[in-house]
Amino acid sequence: AQKVTQAQTEISVVEKEDVTLDCVYETRDTTYYLFWYKQPPSGELVFLIRRNSFDEQNEISGRYSWNFQKSTSSFNFTITASQVVDSAVYFCALSEMGGGKLIFGQGTELSVKP
Amino acid sequence: DTGVSQNPRHKITKRGQNVTFRCDPISEHNRLYWYRQTLGQGPEFLTYFQNEAQLEKSRLLSDRFSAERPKGSFSTLEIQRTEQGDSAMYLCASSLSRGQNEKLFFGSGTQLSVL
Repeated sequence: AQKVTQAQTEISVVEKEDVTLDCVYETRDTTYYLFWYKQPPSGELVFLIRRNSFDEQNEISGRYSWNFQKSTSSFNFTITASQVVDSAVYFCALSEMGGGKLIFGQGTELSVKP
Repeated sequence: DTGVSQNPRHKITKRGQNVTFRCDPISEHNRLYWYRQTLGQGPEFLTYFQNEAQLEKSRLLSDRFSAERPKGSFSTLEIQRTEQGDSAMYLCASSLSRGQNEKLFFGSGTQLSVL
């Protein structure tokens, strides 16, 4: 069975601190895709990144970076120099074959205080 | 591109009543998904359409739930004889399926409260 675990329910940091959100997944598939979504208070899930199981290269996009390690089944997300606007719930998700049927983790609520 | 639109944003109903939600996807998107999200949890997949065909339904979708997507455009999700356990945020998402390169665009959801 597929499963995504985000052990951190809530994280609170002060602006400009770096913060890492953890994600651990389980799947028996050899081909799968991992995602991160951001859910601000408005409720709309915003796509951040997709990574396929054959590409373990880390990725950086501005203040965001992702570390994918198949050996530990983890896909962690780091925000560098956090800002108040980063406050939201962040979800890690898994899908087979890149389709839209996603299995989400429980989410991590990030609060960035000024 | 006006995004995925869901109506209503909020719905309060009494137990036993029927409710219907509407989702308007991004116009050229051929796939449409429904998810349910309860407080403090991640969204859970309910069902999805490719054009007008409903291709998959989750076991979470009881017989009281029905979804349609006539003509492959907007979609409706109806819940009959609502129960308090149906209280949740119902999210719709759409995508333009291109093999494995599928990216979902989500709406802001319909928050259902069953009293």
